[in-house]
Amino acid sequence: GQNIDQPTEMTATEGAIVQINCTYQTSGFNGLFWYQQHAGEAPTFLSYNVLDGLEEKGRFSSFLSRSKGYSYLLLKELQMKDSASYLCAVIKDAGNMLTFGGGTRLMVKP
Amino acid sequence: SAVISQKPSRDICQRGTSLTIQCQVDSQVTMMFWYRQQPGQSLTLIATANQGSEATYESGFVIDKFPISRPNLTFSTLTVSNMSPEDSSIYLCSVKWGSNQPQHFGDGTRLSIL
Repeated sequence: GQNIDQPTEMTATEGAIVQINCTYQTSGFNGLFWYQQHAGEAPTFLSYNVLDGLEEKGRFSSFLSRSKGYSYLLLKELQMKDSASYLCAVIKDAGNMLTFGGGTRLMVKP
Repeated sequence: SAVISQKPSRDICQRGTSLTIQCQVDSQVTMMFWYRQQPGQSLTLIATANQGSEATYESGFVIDKFPISRPNLTFSTLTVSNMSPEDSSIYLCSVKWGSNQPQHFGDGTRLSIL
């Protein structure tokens, strides 16, 4: 099986930086995705990491360390609209199935 | 970007009835999936919808309860059969256009069973 762990909730201030961590244990790791999900809406794709290192996309960056089974999503210059759940998902082997972590609910305060 | 349409967007159903949810994509996709998201929870994969053959179900989900069709590369249906209040959830379809590509989700169907 796969264990994917994320903090349940985080709170941060508008304009600040927040880092959301995700740890996983799986055999045959083949990539990690981050999704954003606003309340009542579908998840939307944010980033994909398959190699170690940092992927930067505007205000959002995602980091992966395969040896440590660890990823983080970094959100800079936080805006109120960034209040949402952030889902870490792992893909295994050469398959197509995603296994999701429990999600981290981020609340951005003024 | 492609459009993934799910219908209905929400429904309230009586216990013991069945509901079929449709997922339509405006371009051909490699893979289609069905997920369930229970209140306050993350996503759980129900099955992979295989074009022209039986779906591949995950542990805890069976064809009799969640029959799935995928007659072509742009369309799939999920039926929730003999519904009970425990089936109240959001049901989401997702699609992929190729290997090592992200899955993209439809807007979901919010289902409540009385």
